[in-house]
Amino acid sequence: EAGVTQFPSHSVIEKGQTVTLRCDPISGHDNLYWYRRVMGKEIKFLLHFVKESKQDESGMPNNRFLAERTGGTYSTLKVQPAELEDSGVYFCASSQSSSSYNEQFFGPGTRLTVL
Amino acid sequence: AQSVSQHNHHVILSEAASLELGCNYSYGGTVNLFWYVQYPGQHLQLLLKYFSGDPLVKGIKGFEAEFIKSKFSFNLRKPSVQWSDTAEYFCAVRVSGGYQKVTFGTGTKLQVIP
Repeated sequence: EAGVTQFPSHSVIEKGQTVTLRCDPISGHDNLYWYRRVMGKEIKFLLHFVKESKQDESGMPNNRFLAERTGGTYSTLKVQPAELEDSGVYFCASSQSSSSYNEQFFGPGTRLTVL
Repeated sequence: AQSVSQHNHHVILSEAASLELGCNYSYGGTVNLFWYVQYPGQHLQLLLKYFSGDPLVKGIKGFEAEFIKSKFSFNLRKPSVQWSDTAEYFCAVRVSGGYQKVTFGTGTKLQVIP
């Protein structure tokens, strides 16, 4: 079974540009999560999809960030326009159901550098 | 809101030494607790988890953790570390029955010297 995949693995952009990150969850997983780790700090929750609906977006930092999951399969996270403080590693995770007993499986992350 | 505190940012041990990584959380209600590990160049993966029942939980690769409710702690232990345990370790908490978001600590980098 394939794990959670993320694309690209690395992205280097200039301040003001737009970047779109993609996450493909494990097949059959209805729940998809985005997290971010800024260098040296903790991994922070951004948002949670159940199928195509946003269940919890309390961690989204501001309106420069837009997450979508059309069709309830893969998800994209767009940052527009990017700022220096957006640099970090963006992780995606998926789980089979919303039950508290379900493990979240993480992808390898996308390392975003904003210059 | 819940938070997680990991006491050590960087730990260096020799092989065969015993390991204990501290983790405390703050939340007044019922929580699920996790330790995740990220080996160099690999994904975050679950090491062990506590939901209910026996507060001493055993995970993969000989790791265990003990939930002490009165101390809001969930320390990770291993009696004898190996060089292959070199990794970054994250303690995490999730509110039981609530939203699914996981709150992580800042991580502890463990370096095991052969």
